[in-house]
Amino acid sequence: DQQVKQNSPSLSVQEGRISILNCDYTNSMFDYFLWYKKYPAEGPTFLISISSIKDKNEDGRFTVFLNKSAKHLSLHIVPSQPGDSAVYFCAASETSGSRLTFGEGTQLTVNP
Amino acid sequence: EPEVTQTPSHQVTQMGQEVILRCVPISNHLYFYWYRQILGQKVEFLVSFYNNEISEKSEIFDDQFSVERPDGSNFTLKIRSTKLEDSAMYFCASRGGISNGYTFGSGTRLTVV
Repeated sequence: DQQVKQNSPSLSVQEGRISILNCDYTNSMFDYFLWYKKYPAEGPTFLISISSIKDKNEDGRFTVFLNKSAKHLSLHIVPSQPGDSAVYFCAASETSGSRLTFGEGTQLTVNP
Repeated sequence: EPEVTQTPSHQVTQMGQEVILRCVPISNHLYFYWYRQILGQKVEFLVSFYNNEISEKSEIFDDQFSVERPDGSNFTLKIRSTKLEDSAMYFCASRGGISNGYTFGSGTRLTVV
């Protein structure tokens, strides 16, 4: 199932700098997108979402950008903090209530 | 903050045995889900449950799987005859309304030997 793809398995950034996590999708029926963060031995924790009628949504240090024509979304974390070190999953659904299709995840490491 | 509770955190079972994974969703949530993640693979949708019935299920959710909400608080996933390939982390999730985000539990690691 390659409908949602995160091409970078890992990303390392310095504390205080910007982290940019990328996600691509192929299913044009997706219209709701989410980012989750996951620590070891815990379940995914919801971070931020965006519907297809928007191209940007911001919540504190986290901003999600959606480029529908490119079928691409990204998560920006500014400034990055060591506590942000986790696996980040991109997920998509056809409506805000239907099943989530996840990407592979990107391990973010923020170095002090 | 309200949370989704899953028990046990780790279950080891013999191939062919039945296993029941338990979840207590957030009390006023209406939509319930099971997802799983096989080691090294993506998180995959299994089933969604609303109004005491399955609302959607994936190709993975075959006759070996069933879900139940036996009382007002628990939501269970039963695997009737476990296979080695059922070994995975199983996540329960719940949602309050159609436009609300999911809250996931910490997962049950199922190991079939």
